[in-house]
Amino acid sequence: ELKVEQNPLFLSMQEGKNYTIYCNYSTTSDRLYWYRQDPGKSLESLFVLLSNGAVKQEGRLMASLDTKARLSTLHITAAVHDLSATYFCAYGGAQKLVFGQGTRLTINP
Amino acid sequence: DAGVIQSPRHEVTEMGQEVTLRCKPISGHNSLFWYRQTMMRGLELLIYFNNNVPIDDSGMPEDRFSAKMPNASFSTLKIQPSEPRDSAVYFCASSFGGGGRDTQYFGPGTRLTVL
Repeated sequence: ELKVEQNPLFLSMQEGKNYTIYCNYSTTSDRLYWYRQDPGKSLESLFVLLSNGAVKQEGRLMASLDTKARLSTLHITAAVHDLSATYFCAYGGAQKLVFGQGTRLTINP
Repeated sequence: DAGVIQSPRHEVTEMGQEVTLRCKPISGHNSLFWYRQTMMRGLELLIYFNNNVPIDDSGMPEDRFSAKMPNASFSTLKIQPSEPRDSAVYFCASSFGGGGRDTQYFGPGTRLTVL
């Protein structure tokens, strides 16, 4: 069974701090997606990582992929309140996306 | 681009009633997905269409649920009869490529409450 596990599931941090969300998946994959969901809203695509060693950055968010370790990370640099949301990673299989449980990130002033 | 369009945005109904959710995918996208999101179960794929043909419906909970895609620009998800445990947010998503091969773009969702 395909599995995607994120940790932590809940993260409360202060503005200005750095932190990393981890996403482990259970099978080989050449693509990994990150999505953001604000409370009561839809899922917004952030990044797609297509190969081993891929790194994508947008503002204070940076995502990377290590296919050998079956691990993707989402790094937050100097967090700001606007980044408070739930972040999902998803493994891209031939038939579907398999989503992790989501990491609820709260950034306090 | 208007993005994925879903209607209604909110639906409140009583147990036993029929519910129909609607979705218009992004123009030019070949794949359409219906998801359900709850606190307990997270995000679940219900059914996936490619070129209007159902490819994987293994996530459809039971016979009370049915989905159709009569053409490339319209899909419906029907629940008949509805039950309180069907209360959830239902998302429609579309992508250019099939399965998990391309980024899926999500609609705003339909929040369903079954009393």
